Amino acid sequence: GAGVSQSPSNKVTEKGKDVELRCDPISGHTALYWYRQSLGQGLEFLIYFQGNSAPDKSGLPSDRFSAERTGGSVSTLTIQRTQQEDSAVYLCAGDRDSSGGNTQYFGPGTRLTVL
Amino acid sequence: DAKTTQPTSMDCAEGRAANLPCNHSTISGNEYVYWYRQIHSQGPQYIIHGLKNNETNEMASLIITEDRKSSTLILPHATLRDTAVYYCIVRVGSGFGNEKLTFGTGTRLTIIP
Repeated sequence: GAGVSQSPSNKVTEKGKDVELRCDPISGHTALYWYRQSLGQGLEFLIYFQGNSAPDKSGLPSDRFSAERTGGSVSTLTIQRTQQEDSAVYLCAGDRDSSGGNTQYFGPGTRLTVL
Repeated sequence: DAKTTQPTSMDCAEGRAANLPCNHSTISGNEYVYWYRQIHSQGPQYIIHGLKNNETNEMASLIITEDRKSSTLILPHATLRDTAVYYCIVRVGSGFGNEKLTFGTGTRLTIIP
């Protein structure tokens, strides 16, 4: 497709369960970001991938959170032993990582609800 | 990144031009002005960016003052689908490395039928 896709669009899970969220960026976008956004709040940076470099994980809130990016394309964000405070919209964004400015293209997000 | 100041909310009549101001008086010479918006229940959407010249694309125009201390985003013919929160940010935007975004409170623009 032409845009960034994320799946699932909605996920309801029970506290303590693991969840996997998927992001399919635009082809050719070497940079990929994961953010989360709680209701009425701003963006919270989680992790950044750029090509084959080691990811910047500085925004991950705990070791229950991890992410992978396979083949420089699809990325999966995994949350283990989910807690109620993990409930938020998880957004991924991609960028071409080139000179002249940075413009990020976001997916529609995955709304995670932990009961 | 330099701090920006935007009005909390604005209304605009459908079909009219929506002019959204942003103050960024501490902007540095190598910082760009970016605009994003977020429509309810959707991910943020890039609109436009500029350094010092005015810019126009299919979505909007960006007018940057000569001293670069403020700018205005113009939606020339606002539609109901333009109702959203609009974020003005300034950043170096080299395009390389971790360029994580941080949004302020933005301007909540409501288009009135």
